[in-house]
Amino acid sequence: GESVGLHLPTLSVQEGDNSIINCAYSNSASDYFIWYKQESGKGPQFIIDIRSNMDKRQGQRVTVLLNKTVKHLSLQIAATQPGDSAVYFCAEFSGGSEKLVFGKGTKLTVNP
Amino acid sequence: KAGVTQTPRYLIKTRGQQVTLSCSPISGHRSVSWYQQTPGQGLQFLFEYFSETQRNKGNFPGRFSGRQFSNSRSEMNVSTLELGDSALYLCASSTGRGTDTQYFGPGTRLTVL
Repeated sequence: GESVGLHLPTLSVQEGDNSIINCAYSNSASDYFIWYKQESGKGPQFIIDIRSNMDKRQGQRVTVLLNKTVKHLSLQIAATQPGDSAVYFCAEFSGGSEKLVFGKGTKLTVNP
Repeated sequence: KAGVTQTPRYLIKTRGQQVTLSCSPISGHRSVSWYQQTPGQGLQFLFEYFSETQRNKGNFPGRFSGRQFSNSRSEMNVSTLELGDSALYLCASSTGRGTDTQYFGPGTRLTVL
């Protein structure tokens, strides 16, 4: 169902376009970051991760960029497809807290 | 290798009842973390179990509890259910070593009437 009280940022793109989903994280001590994709009715699915000693990592059609100076993470999806439509979450892990903290998520809609 | 499984997938309870949810991690994984997902609060960490011990805990009341068995399977229990406990409960498994990736199950959808 749709969110009530939690206004998810939304991004709508055309099939074939590149998508960029942004995330601001809060803890400067976080040393590991993950992007998850969650489709309706399913659990979050791991997409790609990056450690704090890197600023870029590439996977298949996805790239994660990390800017520690401004505590910003982005996920780039190349040639976006209808199957990419989902809610995307960034998560940060801090060795100090030993737990994963999730962002609020961004809803991506790909129009055919 | 089989993924994380959760049972049941759907559950309907009434206020005041209690509920037990089950999670079987990926074979070889020793850490199980539980999360509550609601439209209002997003994904919130409940607790993590590693080798049968609670290793980390989120900010939830004592009505939420869990345990882990020697085969790494985990259960979480919610007592004295409230309407606000309606949510998708997700578990995630990992090897438990440092920042190893967590893999999620499909979740249990709990509805409290």
